Amino acid sequence: RKEVEQDPGPFNVPEGATVAFNCTYSNSASQSFFWYRQDCRKEPKLLMSVYSSGNEDGRFTAQLNRASQYISLLIRDSKLSDSATYLCVVDTGRRALTFGSGTRLQVQP
Amino acid sequence: DTAVSQTPKYLVTQMGNDKSIKCEQNLGHDTMYWYKQDSKKFLKIMFSYNNKELIINETVPNRFSPKSPDKAHLNLHINSLELGDSAVYFCASSPIKVYNEQFFGPGTRLTVL
Repeated sequence: RKEVEQDPGPFNVPEGATVAFNCTYSNSASQSFFWYRQDCRKEPKLLMSVYSSGNEDGRFTAQLNRASQYISLLIRDSKLSDSATYLCVVDTGRRALTFGSGTRLQVQP
Repeated sequence: DTAVSQTPKYLVTQMGNDKSIKCEQNLGHDTMYWYKQDSKKFLKIMFSYNNKELIINETVPNRFSPKSPDKAHLNLHINSLELGDSAVYFCASSPIKVYNEQFFGPGTRLTVL
């Protein structure tokens, strides 16, 4: 079983739509959780951290369910510029990050 | 002002050759990393260095040898290149206390023919 699993997509949504991505992780000792964004042929960049209480940054909301070992990212009012691959990332405390393979989002006009 | 830079951006070479990829960061970070992203887009940690000291070595073949001359540089040397080494290699850095906030270089696309 992969340490971090994501639906690869692609998710094709119209501008203005709300879209949600999910991610599951296998190591219950995982300590911290993140979403990174990777544009086509570019490097990954930190989008936001994920806290147990949930957190919001503008149109983006991230949530964590430790009991189910599940992380989500919700994007409201999708923009064309949101088109990218979203990487679910888990820190298992080994001073290294474990990346999921990503969920591709394509926002269409 | 480039934060994490890598050279070269593209590298095409024959099987059996030896090649190096250079990485430099000007963020003042103590920790640097090498990741490999394969054709299936999995990004996997290869090495991590903290102040020139090797912290993580993730079962990478010993044909891969990282070298850190100082804390701002982490180079990757690959001997006897194989077809399976074709991938995008990303360098990254982070502050020592916030290692989960990593800043990535633009990547080096290695193609082994």
